[in-house]
Amino acid sequence: GDSVTQMEGPVTLSEEAFLTINCTYTATGYPSLFWYVQYPGEGLQLLLKATKADDKGSNKGFEATYRKETTSFHLEKGSVQVSDSAVYFCALDTGNQFYFGTGTSLTVIP
Amino acid sequence: DVKVTQSSRYLVKRTGEKVFLECVQDMDHENMFWYRQDPGLGLRLIYFSYDVKMKEKGDIPEGYSVSREKKERFSLILESASTNQTSMYLCASSVPGQGTYNEQFFGPGTRLTVL
Repeated sequence: GDSVTQMEGPVTLSEEAFLTINCTYTATGYPSLFWYVQYPGEGLQLLLKATKADDKGSNKGFEATYRKETTSFHLEKGSVQVSDSAVYFCALDTGNQFYFGTGTSLTVIP
Repeated sequence: DVKVTQSSRYLVKRTGEKVFLECVQDMDHENMFWYRQDPGLGLRLIYFSYDVKMKEKGDIPEGYSVSREKKERFSLILESASTNQTSMYLCASSVPGQGTYNEQFFGPGTRLTVL
C-alpha cells in the first residue's frame, strides 16, 4: 500500500551544519509531497511542498526535490540555526488519502 | 489568515469519563481530520469527515467517535476515557483533493492526560 518512510532520529547538529533528512515513498500514480514542521508545543505547519516530478519546494532556506525515479523527497538545508530545532514530518497525498512519516526530531546546538 | 483552533491545549481527565475535544476552522474547508500523535508512531488518523454529518473511520477509530453538525466544527468524543488514550490530539482541515496537492492545516493540538 501507499506509505512514507523517513529517516529515524533524533538528529543533533551544530549551528551552521548541513542538514539532510531522508524521505522515501511508495505510491501509485502521481502523489503530491510535503514537509511539515512541528515546533515544541505547537501543531504542524506546512514547510514546503511539491506537486509533480522534478519540482523543488523551498521555504526558510529548506529545500526538497520530488524525485520520481528514486521515489524520494529528501529535506535539505545548507546552514541550520538553533531556531530550526523541531520535529519534521514527510507526508504524501495520493488524492484519496494523506500519509505521514513518523517524524524526525532535530536539535541544533549553538 | 487561515486558522484551526482547538478547545483546549491541555486536558486532564479520569478513567471512564466522557471527553469532548472540539475543533473549529474558519476556512470553509469541507474536509476535517482528527489525528493522535505518539512518540515513535508519528501521526495516526482516527476519523475524518468530508462533509457535514459525514464521517469515515481512519486507521485507529476504536474507542472514539466524532460529530460534525456544522461545516466549521468537528468534535472528537472519547466515550469512556482510558489511560491508553493519553496522547496529543491534532485536528486538521483541508479542501477536497482534485488529484493535486491538498494541504492540511493543523490546529495547535490538545495534550490529553487520562489518569
